[in-house]
Amino acid sequence: AQRVTQPEKLLSVFKGAPVELKCNYSYSGSPELFWYVQYSRQRLQLLLRHISRESIKGFTADLNKGETSFHLKKPFAQEEDSAMYYCALGGSNYKLTFGKGTLLTVNP
Amino acid sequence: EAGVAQSPRYKIIEKRQSVAFWCNPISGHATLYWYQQILGQGPKLLIQFQNNGVVDDSQLPKDRFSAERLKGVDSTLKIQPAKLEDSAVYLCASSLGPSGGAADTQYFGPGTRLTVL
Repeated sequence: AQRVTQPEKLLSVFKGAPVELKCNYSYSGSPELFWYVQYSRQRLQLLLRHISRESIKGFTADLNKGETSFHLKKPFAQEEDSAMYYCALGGSNYKLTFGKGTLLTVNP
Repeated sequence: EAGVAQSPRYKIIEKRQSVAFWCNPISGHATLYWYQQILGQGPKLLIQFQNNGVVDDSQLPKDRFSAERLKGVDSTLKIQPAKLEDSAVYLCASSLGPSGGAADTQYFGPGTRLTVL
């Protein structure tokens, strides 16, 4: 079975501080991991995916198969990063399984 | 490029009533998804279409939920009869396909917020 765990419902940091949003997954096959973001009053949208190995808006995420984790990191948080972040797992059945999400608040 | 369109944006009904949601995907996108997002949870896939065929409906409560995608474009999701626990945001998403694989970027609509009283 596919499962995604985001242990923090809420995360609050100050502007300029580093931020890490945790994501752990459970999957027996070869996973594809994604981070989706929903800003206030906007649609859910893809932030980044592990196969691209890219940095989007200063965010990076590394797939650690040994720890079954895909944590999202940014060295210096900005106020505009405040949003709801969802980790998602794509399995071989092409179905996306989402975590419950973490609400990130970046305080001035 | 126009995004995924959904209507209505909000709907309030009483339990045991029926309701229907409509989705228009991005032009040219072969794969269409319906998700249910209950407050405090992440989106849960209800049904996935590729063109007008069903790829996955394993989590669709088929005794009360139905969906169709005629002509492989627009889609409707229906609930009949509605229960209190159906209160949620219903999201439609589309992707280019044609495989609809997990690596295929999904584009989401604004959602329909359903309240069942």
